[in-house]
Amino acid sequence: EIVLTQSPGTLSLSPGERATLSCRASQSVSNNYLAWYQQKPGQAPRLLIYGASSRATGIPDRFSGSGSGTDFTLTISRLEPEDFAVYYCQQFGTSPWTFGQGTKVEIK
Amino acid sequence: QVQLQQSGPGLVKPSQSLSLTCAISGDSVSRNSVTWNWIRQSPSRGLEWLGRTYYRSKWYNDYVESVKSRITINPDTSKNQFSLQLNSVTPEDTAVYYCARGVYPYFDYWGQGALVTVSS
Repeated sequence: EIVLTQSPGTLSLSPGERATLSCRASQSVSNNYLAWYQQKPGQAPRLLIYGASSRATGIPDRFSGSGSGTDFTLTISRLEPEDFAVYYCQQFGTSPWTFGQGTKVEIK
Repeated sequence: QVQLQQSGPGLVKPSQSLSLTCAISGDSVSRNSVTWNWIRQSPSRGLEWLGRTYYRSKWYNDYVESVKSRITINPDTSKNQFSLQLNSVTPEDTAVYYCARGVYPYFDYWGQGALVTVSS
């Protein structure tokens, strides 16, 4: 199965700053079928990005995804207070579908 | 608007079976082009996709290898829902369980989550 490794584990930033989150796959993700989710305490994950770079419906344009093959990035251009959460990448290229271990974006 | 409503017991004894149901509104369990999934989350295992059921002229199931011998996911077309059964549970199966709709290549709607604790 494809193992997804996210870095860093925790990102300490201030509102207004830029966040750059990394997701590395153990093998190439077919068709760049890589998604990003946001999860807040007590809630289910929420889809942000799919196909590596397409924003899901209703997601603000400060969220962007990039990358291909084995290296992917989620960028939040200017952090809003509601963006402090845990972010997961997930691959849909090869079954079984797998998730990264998460990056926590916390307030500095 | 699609909504997924989960139900089921929160406490299961070791060696017994875990059973959860996910009721669907705003979509059909029989619709082609979507899949109906179970995913769990625990501190030790993170987010783990367990399996799916889907209809493409007939019903199909796929399961992750780690639980394949113990898991069954079934659709219930009369109630527009699907279920998870996990047999012979151990404390390692303690987790928050989610149902989710798959619209390839992503999960777009999720249930509210259900904490299931395996303990005597």
